[in-house]
Amino acid sequence: DAGVTQSPTHLIKTRGQQVTLRCSPKSGHDTVSWYQQALGQGPQFIFQYYEEEERQRGNFPDRFSGHQFPNYSSELNVNALLLGDSALYLCASSLDAGVGRGTQYFGPGTRLLVL
Amino acid sequence: QQQVKQSPQSLIVQKGGISIINCAYENTAFDYFPWYQQFPGKGPALLIAIRPDVSEKKEGRFTISFNKSAKQFSLHIMDSQPGDSATYFCAARPFSGGYNKLIFGAGTRLAVHP
Repeated sequence: DAGVTQSPTHLIKTRGQQVTLRCSPKSGHDTVSWYQQALGQGPQFIFQYYEEEERQRGNFPDRFSGHQFPNYSSELNVNALLLGDSALYLCASSLDAGVGRGTQYFGPGTRLLVL
Repeated sequence: QQQVKQSPQSLIVQKGGISIINCAYENTAFDYFPWYQQFPGKGPALLIAIRPDVSEKKEGRFTISFNKSAKQFSLHIMDSQPGDSATYFCAARPFSGGYNKLIFGAGTRLAVHP
């Protein structure tokens, strides 16, 4: 049973560009959450998707957007990249079934470097 | 503001010793407290978790102690091994309106020396 997978593993972009990160949840999971982990820090919650809708959002600007597909996979889009967006972007999946209490399992992350 | 404060920032323990990492929360009711272990280049992996109606939970060499009145919880790693060397994060999930959002501490980098 494959766990949470993310692509790409590494990415280098320049300021002002746009980036799309992808996540496939663990088999049977219906909810995807995205986190940003700056170097030496704990993960910070960006937003969560359930039933193809953004269910909750953390303290991140509108430059960060996402999408969830019918197969539960998800994308994170970041527009107008800033140097400060350089971080490890983590996807976590869980089985919530609308209850919002499932254990979150994390993927390996995508390392984004903005130059 | 919802916060989880974690200490120490780094920890060095000899093989066979006990590693202790502490976390404290404030201002908000949380209903679930997981600990995650992260190795370099990897995503966080769930290690052990506790709910506030339990004061202690043990799984193998890992134990969570929970003090609800003090709003503190800690991770104890017994008989620490070099393979335990990693960064450990405590986290908490808000009770109301949380929709499974996790709030993480800043992490503790543990080094177990042989």
